[in-house]
Amino acid sequence: ETGVTQTPRHLVMGMTNKKSLKCEQHLGHNAMYWYKQSAKKPLELMFVYSLEERVENNSVPSRFSPECPNSSHLFLHLHTLQPEDSALYLCASSQELAGGTDTQYFGPGTRLTVL
Amino acid sequence: GQNIDQPTEMTATEGAIVQINCTYQTSGFNGLFWYQQHAGEAPTFLSYNVLDGLEEKGRFSSFLSRSKGYSYLLLKELQMKDSASYLCAVRDSNYQLIWGAGTKLIIKP
Repeated sequence: ETGVTQTPRHLVMGMTNKKSLKCEQHLGHNAMYWYKQSAKKPLELMFVYSLEERVENNSVPSRFSPECPNSSHLFLHLHTLQPEDSALYLCASSQELAGGTDTQYFGPGTRLTVL
Repeated sequence: GQNIDQPTEMTATEGAIVQINCTYQTSGFNGLFWYQQHAGEAPTFLSYNVLDGLEEKGRFSSFLSRSKGYSYLLLKELQMKDSASYLCAVRDSNYQLIWGAGTKLIIKP
C-alpha cells in the first residue's frame, strides 16, 4: 500500500464519452502528478500540481482536463478521446515539488481503453 | 534533447546476479532514481543516487558515475518475485524527472 489510490482501475470508453479519473493521496504531500504510461515507452508527465496550483502542462491535448480541488485529491477529466489515448494513467505525489531525495509515490493506475 | 537509455528486456536465473544499465543525457543533473514496477502495479521507489559511487540496500545496489552519464542497478540472489520492470529516471536542472522506457527483467528457475 503506497498511500495513493486511484479509481477506477479499469475504464473502457467510446470516443464520444466523458469520464473522470480520480486520485487520492493519504500521505500529506503537497505535490501531485498525472503521468501517461504506454507500452515500451517512457513515462510521460502530463500535469503537475503544487499546493493545488497547476505548475506544469506538458503540451497535453485539451481533451484531457485536470482538476485539483485540494492537496489530497486530483482528477483527470476525459472527453472525446482518441484510440491512441489508450494507456495506463498513473497518479503520483511527493512531499514537495522538487529537490533533495524527495521521491514520488505512485498509485496503481487506471488502465484506459478507448474504442 | 534529453534521453535515458536502458535495455528493453533482460533474462536471469534465480539465485544469480544481474546488472541493469542506464545511460543518460539530460539538461543538468539533480539525482538519479530507480523504481520497480510489477505488471499491473504502481512503480515503487528503490534507490536514489546524487553523488558518484555505490549505494547498497540489501540485495539491491545502485551505482552512479556522473562524468560518464551512467548508472546501474545490481540485483543479487535473484528471487522469482524480482521479475518486474525497472525504471531509471533522472532529475534535470529544472527538477523535472526524465524517465527511461524501463527494463523488463525475467527470472527463470
